[in-house]
Amino acid sequence: AQTVTQSQPEMSVQEAETVTLSCTYDTSESDYYLFWYKQPPSRQMILVIRQEAYKQQNATENRFSVNFQKAAKSFSLKISDSQLGDAAMYFCAYRSQSNFGNEKLTFGTGTRLTIIP
Amino acid sequence: GAGVSQSPSNKVTEKGKDVELRCDPISGHTALYWYRQSLGQGLEFLIYFQGNSAPDKSGLPSDRFSAERTGGSVSTLTIQRTQQEDSAVYLCASSLRSTAGGYTFGSGTRLTVV
Repeated sequence: AQTVTQSQPEMSVQEAETVTLSCTYDTSESDYYLFWYKQPPSRQMILVIRQEAYKQQNATENRFSVNFQKAAKSFSLKISDSQLGDAAMYFCAYRSQSNFGNEKLTFGTGTRLTIIP
Repeated sequence: GAGVSQSPSNKVTEKGKDVELRCDPISGHTALYWYRQSLGQGLEFLIYFQGNSAPDKSGLPSDRFSAERTGGSVSTLTIQRTQQEDSAVYLCASSLRSTAGGYTFGSGTRLTVV
């Protein structure tokens, strides 16, 4: 079974600065997807960024980028120019590609990000 | 609808009572998922529906939990004889089958068992 580990329960960053959230995972599969989700106080999970394991290029979405190290099974999220609206819980998630038809996600325990004005 | 709708938003129930949680997915989304989020924990998979296929119930924690999806649309998660450890946020998500993990989540139901 796959596992996802987020070792930073809480992080804080000054507004406009850069912060990196860590995520490691364990799998024996070669093809899979990795995700970062944001959960604000509204509780709704919002997809931030997605990475396909077969792609060597790191995914980027505006101020959000990842550092995907497949051999190390590491998938960190970098948030540049942090904004007050970035404050939330961030979850790393894994999805196997082999179970086509069941896109079940395995989540880490989350990192609470605080933005300091 | 425009998003995934869950009701009620909050539910307080007495230990031993049955509860029903409702999820109304995005129109046209064939896949529907239920997850449970306990305090300080990540999301725990409960059950998955895909079209007319048999649901994947592998995440249901006990036989007190069941779910159905009527007409390929609305889903109801039922918890019988609720226990205090059932207190959590129950999140529903839907997606198109072909989307690689592109779930749309609802805002969840916070269940408190007293």
